[in-house]
Amino acid sequence: DVKVTQSSRYLVKRTGEKVFLECVQDMDHENMFWYRQDPGLGLRLIYFSYDVKMKEKGDIPEGYSVSREKKERFSLILESASTNQTSMYLCASSLPSLGAGDYEQYFGPGTRLTVT
Amino acid sequence: GENVGLHLPTLSVQEGDNSIINCAYSNSASDYFIWYKQESGKGPQFIIDIRSNMDKRQGQRVTVLLNKTVKHLSLQIAATQPGDSAVYFCAENLSGGGANSKLTFGKGITLSVRP
Repeated sequence: DVKVTQSSRYLVKRTGEKVFLECVQDMDHENMFWYRQDPGLGLRLIYFSYDVKMKEKGDIPEGYSVSREKKERFSLILESASTNQTSMYLCASSLPSLGAGDYEQYFGPGTRLTVT
Repeated sequence: GENVGLHLPTLSVQEGDNSIINCAYSNSASDYFIWYKQESGKGPQFIIDIRSNMDKRQGQRVTVLLNKTVKHLSLQIAATQPGDSAVYFCAENLSGGGANSKLTFGKGITLSVRP
């Protein structure tokens, strides 16, 4: 089974702090994704990566950055946390579809971040 | 703009009844659709998927129907059980295919099963 783990289930940080959210997958997936999930807004893509040291902006990248130094690890960084970044953060990974049309993403359990 | 949306925010069904969760999409070029289930405190879990060259796909107690004419996707759950209570998301692949892709998710609908 694919396993995607996230470093913390719950995190409380103060405004202005630098925050690191870590995600690790154990299935050698090329693609990794970071989403935030808010009530009524569903899942919104922050950043994604198709390969080591590669990153692309998603729909809401402002206030975030990412790092992918190793294939299995994808980190989300909040350079200076703000209260509007209080949210559930979900990491996911997937294989390249190679034209087969299968784009299933495997999700971690999520990190609920509260910024006070 | 392009979006994936769900018609209703909540759905309440009686245990044992069939559930139908609907989803509208607007990009006729989408080639892949997927349904996820998210239980409280957990990440989304795969339920079933369907490619655009299919109209119907069945799994265990679940069926996904794709109507490309009206750009409509539905998830049918047979004999709904209390364990089916969760938030359900549909998602579509908008990249047009290829080795890399990203999914666009709908806002989610809550399914509540009455005992």
